[in-house]
Amino acid sequence: DVKVTQSSRYLVKRTGEKVFLECVQDMDHENMFWYRQDPGLGLRLIYFSYDVKMKEKGDIPEGYSVSREKKERFSLILESASTNQTSMYLCASSLLDEKLFFGSGTQLSVL
Amino acid sequence: AQTVTQSQPEMSVQEAETVTLSCTYDTSESDYYLFWYKQPPSRQMILVIRQEAYKQQNATENRFSVNFQKAAKSFSLKISDSQLGDAAMYFCAYRSGSGTYKYIFGTGTRLKVLA
Repeated sequence: DVKVTQSSRYLVKRTGEKVFLECVQDMDHENMFWYRQDPGLGLRLIYFSYDVKMKEKGDIPEGYSVSREKKERFSLILESASTNQTSMYLCASSLLDEKLFFGSGTQLSVL
Repeated sequence: AQTVTQSQPEMSVQEAETVTLSCTYDTSESDYYLFWYKQPPSRQMILVIRQEAYKQQNATENRFSVNFQKAAKSFSLKISDSQLGDAAMYFCAYRSGSGTYKYIFGTGTRLKVLA
C-alpha cells in the first residue's frame, strides 16, 4: 500500500524557534508538495518540488523554506516560527500526471 | 490565474438520501483536470473522483458521480445513498493539463450525514 508519512501528528513550538516538518513517501514519486490548511481558506500551496534539489514557490512561501536532498524526502522549514504559522500542514506526492497522495497532516501550534 | 470556488461551507444529508456538492472554477485553459478529494476526521485526504476536461462523459465511481459542465465551468459532486462514513470535508481541486503540477483547491464543504 502506498504511503506518505509525516513525522509528527501534533507539534507545539515557541515563537522564534526553527521548525522542521518532515515528509517521506515510498512510491518513488517525482512530485512532492507542502500545503497549509486553515478553516475557511482550504488548502494553500506553500512549495512544491518536481525533482531532487528542485523547488518552486507556491502561493504562500513567505516565512518558509524547503529541502529535497533525496527523492523520497521533502522537508518544510520554518526559519523563525510565528503565531500566524499555527496551522495544519499537509504533505503530498504524485507521479507526473497522477492524483495526489496525502500524508495525515501535522497540526502545528506556535505559542 | 485559475480559481476554484465552493460556495457551500456546510451541507447536511439524511442517511440513504442523495446530496450534491457544488464547485465552480475559472480558467482560460482548455486542457485541465478536476478532482474531488475527501478528508474524514482522520485527516487522511483521499481521492474520490477525477475528471479530464477533454472527456465529455461524466466520471462515476460507485455512489459518487460528477456533473461536469465545461462551458459553465461547473463541477458538482453527487453522492447517492449517503452513508455515515461519507461525513467529511470535501475539496474540489483543479490542475492544469500542461506546464505545471500545481493543484488549486477550493475552500471545502463539510458534509454531515444524519442517521
